[in-house]
Amino acid sequence: DGGITQSPKYLFRKEGQNVTLSCEQNLNHDAMYWYRQDPGQGLRLIYYSQIVNDFQKGDIAEGYSVSREKKESFPLTVTSAQKNPTAFYLCASNPGRAERYNEQFFGPGTRLTVL
Amino acid sequence: GQSLEQPSEVTAVEGAIVQINCTYQTSGFYGLSWYQQHDGGAPTFLSYNALDGLEETGRFSSFLSRSDSYGYLLLQELQMKDSASYFCAVRDRTGRRALTFGSGTRLQVQP
Repeated sequence: DGGITQSPKYLFRKEGQNVTLSCEQNLNHDAMYWYRQDPGQGLRLIYYSQIVNDFQKGDIAEGYSVSREKKESFPLTVTSAQKNPTAFYLCASNPGRAERYNEQFFGPGTRLTVL
Repeated sequence: GQSLEQPSEVTAVEGAIVQINCTYQTSGFYGLSWYQQHDGGAPTFLSYNALDGLEETGRFSSFLSRSDSYGYLLLQELQMKDSASYFCAVRDRTGRRALTFGSGTRLQVQP
């Protein structure tokens, strides 16, 4: 089955540690995205990538980093510079064609808790 | 930049009809989308309006008025499983190929 996988589902880390969240898709989509969601809030864009080896900052990129070395993978690193990293992190993708940008496919999410 | 406003919470009874409104401000406009998210789950795409008018998909319909910068999601024959959060999202014409989401409307369906 085609889809987006994120691992792990729950992640606990100590304050000051960097942590990398995995996102893999087998939909052959060009575009991939990372969002952060806080309780009772909407989704805020962290980073996005339209093509391999290229990515752009979203609205809340400070304290985060990404890479896009393969079409299927878009890992997100939450660094110690992120002041309040505890949140629900969602990865998404879409085919990357202009007429389809409004339809995004989401992974199940990773709930990160920093102790 | 972009901003979207939608009510934080709506309550309705099973079998009823409910309308969730969304007003937006963008520096351009390239469509309004709606997503559904159950507690603890991932958002799923419901509908997309690029032009004015009503789009119908089963029990769900979405409406757009570009002149009023306004849209709504209409849910008919409500079922308990429709209890979820609903988000509107816009993509603007600044060249950023990404969506901006509203803060969501939590729909509670009561028996």
